[in-house]
Amino acid sequence: GAGVSQSPSNKVTEKGKDVELRCDPISGHTALYWYRQSLGQGLEFLIYFQGNSAPDKSGLPSDRFSAERTGGSVSTLTIQRTQQEDSAVYLCASSSQTTQYFGPGTRLLVL
Amino acid sequence: AQKVTQAQTEISVVEKEDVTLDCVYETRDTTYYLFWYKQPPSGELVFLIRRNSFDEQNEISGRYSWNFQKSTSSFNFTITASQVVDSAVYFCALSESRRGYQKVTFGIGTKLQVIP
Repeated sequence: GAGVSQSPSNKVTEKGKDVELRCDPISGHTALYWYRQSLGQGLEFLIYFQGNSAPDKSGLPSDRFSAERTGGSVSTLTIQRTQQEDSAVYLCASSSQTTQYFGPGTRLLVL
Repeated sequence: AQKVTQAQTEISVVEKEDVTLDCVYETRDTTYYLFWYKQPPSGELVFLIRRNSFDEQNEISGRYSWNFQKSTSSFNFTITASQVVDSAVYFCALSESRRGYQKVTFGIGTKLQVIP
């Protein structure tokens, strides 16, 4: 079946602009995670969604970051007033139980 | 707090050599899961294996094998007869239950370069 998909695959934006990143999880997976991976670094947890429960936003680095998950499926990560330090690969993962399956990521470059 | 340590940041081996990637973890939980993921140059993380804390049996899958030892809190990964296609960053991860969901902590990754 289809895996996790993310769009766009690459995004170049100017400092101060808002960006939206999209994640389509594996069908039937109730859990969805967003991570950030800066160049040459490990994975930094951002936010977690589980079904209709309130999301765990404990990893969001600032109030410029927000995320939604509509209808328990597609999720959008929004970064407002982007800064150069936001440049990274943003990874989405979904899971049905314990194993997370990752999408290909969105490479964000803020000029 | 949970923690995953991958002490080797970069390893280079010549093709056909065996290589072991180390992973040491810390947790206070008795029930947890351990994972290895591969991130090739293309960037997508690929799930390799999951092991739960009650199953200390080692596992072999083709050229890959994993050694889980609770006594030393280690979950090491060995690639036998390495190939150029094994070149990637490998992440070890620890998952614990927190408020009804799996909180996953990743190590910083080990970059493996297999030289032809």
